[in-house]
Amino acid sequence: QKEVEQNSGPLSVPEGAIASLNCTYSDRGSQSFFWYRQYSGKSPELIMFIYSNGDKEDGRFTAQLNKASQYVSLLIRDSQPSDSATYLCAVKQDSNYQLIWGAGTKLIIKP
Amino acid sequence: EAGVAQSPRYKIIEKRQSVAFWCNPISGHATLYWYQQILGQGPKLLIQFQNNGVVDDSQLPKDRFSAERLKGVDSTLKIQPAKLEDSAVYLCASSLVDRGINEQYFGPGTRLTVT
Repeated sequence: QKEVEQNSGPLSVPEGAIASLNCTYSDRGSQSFFWYRQYSGKSPELIMFIYSNGDKEDGRFTAQLNKASQYVSLLIRDSQPSDSATYLCAVKQDSNYQLIWGAGTKLIIKP
Repeated sequence: EAGVAQSPRYKIIEKRQSVAFWCNPISGHATLYWYQQILGQGPKLLIQFQNNGVVDDSQLPKDRFSAERLKGVDSTLKIQPAKLEDSAVYLCASSLVDRGINEQYFGPGTRLTVT
């Protein structure tokens, strides 16, 4: 059974600090990894994806991938109250191109 | 570019009634997904279409759920008869292709309450 694990939280971070969200996956052959943000009562919104080891930066967001450790993370710099949401990690299966989803981490940014 | 459209946004029905959801994907997106999301969980794939063909419906409860994608564009998901445990948000997503990076984009979802 291929799995994606995330800490459910809530993760509480003061405004202006760095929020660090983590995700581990079981399928060593996975190639593409996605972070989605989901506000309460809304649908998931794609933030960024990564497929190479290392870091990928987009504005205040940085995705980090370590395939050897089967670990992907999302860093949010200068956290804002508007970043408060649930962050979903998804991993693409190469066999059928479907996404395996984590349950999400609830992030709370405190002013 | 218009996003994924879904309707209705909310639906309340009694158990054993039927309900249908509609989805219109992003123009040109060949792959369409229906997900069920229960509060506190990640989305669960119900069915995946590539154009108007079914790629995977292994997690679709076929005794009560059905879906179609006629002409490879719009799709409908039906539940008949509904059970209390079907209360959830039903999300439609689309992607340009079913390989490569496969970025999926979601519609606003339909919140179903079964009483």
